[in-house]
Amino acid sequence: NAGVTQTPKFQVLKTGQSMTLQCAQDMNHNSMYWYRQDPGMGLRLIYYSASEGTTDKGEVPNGYNVSRLNKREFSLRLESAAPSQTSVYFCASSAYPSDIDNSPLHFGNGTRLTVT
Amino acid sequence: KNQVEQSPQSLIILEGKNCTLQCNYTVSPFSNLRWYKQDTGRGPVSLTIMTFSENTKSNGRYTATLDADTKQSSLHITASQLSDSASYICVVTMFSGGYNKLIFGAGTRLAVHP
Repeated sequence: NAGVTQTPKFQVLKTGQSMTLQCAQDMNHNSMYWYRQDPGMGLRLIYYSASEGTTDKGEVPNGYNVSRLNKREFSLRLESAAPSQTSVYFCASSAYPSDIDNSPLHFGNGTRLTVT
Repeated sequence: KNQVEQSPQSLIILEGKNCTLQCNYTVSPFSNLRWYKQDTGRGPVSLTIMTFSENTKSNGRYTATLDADTKQSSLHITASQLSDSASYICVVTMFSGGYNKLIFGAGTRLAVHP
């Protein structure tokens, strides 16, 4: 089973450039999430989608947009990258929304983004 | 402030030895506590989820304990293996306004040496 697949694995951007991080899951999960992980800090929620057709802001949404393309796919877009967005980005999915259910999150292997 | 603090930040042990990782939290009201294992360059993988009423849960050589009164949890690893080298992340779910919010600790980085 592939689980949660993220592309690309690595990316270097210049300040002001845009890009889209792709995420797909094959577990028929309803809910999908985008987190960022920075050194010395816990993962922080950027955006999430409780179910197909809905998206909501998380803890740190500024500078990002998302699209829940279908039940499988959830993309994260940086419209104008800034050095503060240098981070490791993780996509995750769960059977039901983590805000109402205890089902575990299943994470992808991350996209390592550097903005110069 | 709702926080999750893990200690130690890093730990080195010899293969075959046991170790215990700590997680203290100030999150309230509490819904559940999760432990994840994150290998270098990979995403976190769920080890255990404990609700308020559970005070211990095992997953193979991993045993998590929870004391909801003192707001402390520990993850005990028995007979460590080289493959246990990873970061271990404590995640506390806060129940707020009818919704759960996951609060992640910064993790403990464990290195198991032969």
